[in-house]
Amino acid sequence: GQQLNQSPQSMFIQEGEDVSMNCTSSSIFNTWLWYKQDPGEGPVLLIALYKAGELTSNGRLTAQFGITRKDSFLNISASIPSDVGIYFCAGQNFPGVAGNMLTFGGGTRLMVKP
Amino acid sequence: DTEVTQTPKHLVMGMTNKKSLKCEQHMGHRAMYWYKQKAKKPPELMFVYSYEKLSINESVPSRFSPECPNSSLLNLHLHALQPEDSALYLCASSHSGGARDTQYFGPGTRLTVL
Repeated sequence: GQQLNQSPQSMFIQEGEDVSMNCTSSSIFNTWLWYKQDPGEGPVLLIALYKAGELTSNGRLTAQFGITRKDSFLNISASIPSDVGIYFCAGQNFPGVAGNMLTFGGGTRLMVKP
Repeated sequence: DTEVTQTPKHLVMGMTNKKSLKCEQHMGHRAMYWYKQKAKKPPELMFVYSYEKLSINESVPSRFSPECPNSSLLNLHLHALQPEDSALYLCASSHSGGARDTQYFGPGTRLTVL
């Protein structure tokens, strides 16, 4: 199925660094979501964006819904070791039938610099 | 409370076995979802239930049989699975599938088919 373009695929972080990742799509979405997944666990919702241009923060996390409705970015400020994990963006449209369809990005794997 | 629970946490089964995965939520959500996730990949949608009725089936093989006994429970019955069906199976729920709807995921069941 369709998958959003998420970059970078992986990155190493050092404690205290700021982190940026983004997601782009060839089609528009009504909602952008950012999830974090730890190994062996389910994705946990971090931020939901419902309006083009919206900028939303959740603690050290900030995400924006692109004006064109085809992209979104997530920033993490002053990273800490527990930020390690896989971050997924997801675009959502209401398909006209009951239930929502999420289209996921390929994920960004955050790892700690040795 | 945004908790979705799944049991069992881990499941090992042979190709001739019949087993079931269970998902439960008490958030009053009326849409529930099954996803399959392979290692290092994003979740892939399998089924969507809305108001206890199957609304989306993403061409999933018949060896996977979903069931929604009531608005809080979602089951996935497994029969005659193949080793390639080994994956993390995730359940999610959301309010009703509307435009501002947000899916919350459970911790998943790690399935191994021998």
